[in-house]
Amino acid sequence: AQSVTQPDIHITVSEGASLELRCNYSYGATPYLFWYVQSPGQGLQLLLKYFSGDTLVQGIKGFEAEFKRSQSSFNLRKPSVHWSDAAEYFCAVGTNTGNQFYFGTGTSLTVIP
Amino acid sequence: GAGVSQSPRYKVAKRGQDVALRCDPISGHVSLFWYQQALGQGPEFLTYFQNEAQLDKSGLPSDRFFAERPEGSVSTLKIQRTQQEDSAVYLCASSSQGGVGFEQYFGPGTRLTVT
Repeated sequence: AQSVTQPDIHITVSEGASLELRCNYSYGATPYLFWYVQSPGQGLQLLLKYFSGDTLVQGIKGFEAEFKRSQSSFNLRKPSVHWSDAAEYFCAVGTNTGNQFYFGTGTSLTVIP
Repeated sequence: GAGVSQSPRYKVAKRGQDVALRCDPISGHVSLFWYQQALGQGPEFLTYFQNEAQLDKSGLPSDRFFAERPEGSVSTLKIQRTQQEDSAVYLCASSSQGGVGFEQYFGPGTRLTVT
């Protein structure tokens, strides 16, 4: 069965510091990979997605993610974090053999001044 | 409307009551998904519609949960005889094409509390 693991429940970074949020997935074929952000009281917003091709994908708000097939990972990065980036981040995987969509348990990001 | 809307935003139900949660997807969107998000967890897939057809309901936790989308637009998630473990945020999402390979636009969710 497909699954998504986000090993870090909570991360704290200083404003201006770099950020990396980890995501590992379990799926036999090439998955569709996504990162979503959820701010308090808001709906989930798509940051970026990977289907095929270039393994480094650029998203909104200065985020990027790299697909590494050998490590079954799709880590999210940002070179310089802003206070407004504080939110919950979810990695998700979809498959081309079904209609289900699997989310990780999320990583809560706190940004300190 | 500009985005996915859900109503009510908050619902308190006594254990044993039936509830109905509504989702208005983005106009013209073919696909509609329902998710359940428990406190501190990621959303969990419940069911998927393509137009009016319910193509996947494997995530519905019990036969107390029922979803419909009779005209291929608005969808309703119904929970019968609510239990405390049903307390969660219920999220609806829509996308412009079929399957999971396209961006899903999420509504703000309905927070259900069962007392």
